[in-house]
Amino acid sequence: DVKVTQSSRYLVKRTGEKVFLECVQDMDHENMFWYRQDPGLGLRLIYFSYDVKMKEKGDIPEGYSVSREKKERFSLILESASTNQTSMYLCASRTTGGFSGNTIYFGEGSWLTVV
Amino acid sequence: GQNIDQPTEMTATEGAIVQINCTYQTSGFNGLFWYQQHAGEAPTFLSYNVLDGLEEKGRFSSFLSRSKGYSYLLLKELQMKDSASYLCAVRWDTDKLIFGTGTRLQVFP
Repeated sequence: DVKVTQSSRYLVKRTGEKVFLECVQDMDHENMFWYRQDPGLGLRLIYFSYDVKMKEKGDIPEGYSVSREKKERFSLILESASTNQTSMYLCASRTTGGFSGNTIYFGEGSWLTVV
Repeated sequence: GQNIDQPTEMTATEGAIVQINCTYQTSGFNGLFWYQQHAGEAPTFLSYNVLDGLEEKGRFSSFLSRSKGYSYLLLKELQMKDSASYLCAVRWDTDKLIFGTGTRLQVFP
């Protein structure tokens, strides 16, 4: 079974703090994604990575950056956390090969509260 | 950008059939997913359509019409555990996956 692991389930951070959300997948997937999910707004794409060291902005990249130094790990960074970044963050991954590449696998989610 | 529309909420009774619609912009379309998400949990994969027609998988079926930019998820023999949000997502352009806001389905006894 594919496993996508998000290192922290629940975090509380102060405004202005630097926050790292880590995501690791164990299936050698090329594509990885970071979404945030808010009531009434659904899942919104923050950043997308095609492969190692490759990234593309999603719909709401402002206030976020990402790092993909190794294939299995995709990190989301909040340089200076703000209260409007309080949300649930979902990491996902997908292979690009074959029909199985059509399925995207999600981590368990990280609930971030910024106070 | 991609604009995906689906109803916000639906209700149905146990044992019934419900159809959840999803419309999207056809430009750059590469495939459509349906996901189920229970409250407080991550989304789980239900179906994937890239060609026109109906894909059946047990109690759940998904339909796609690429020319109309339209899909639906059909849930038969509804059970209480089917109460969840159902997310329509379009694979678009350079392999981005964009989600609709989701349809919250409540199943009543």
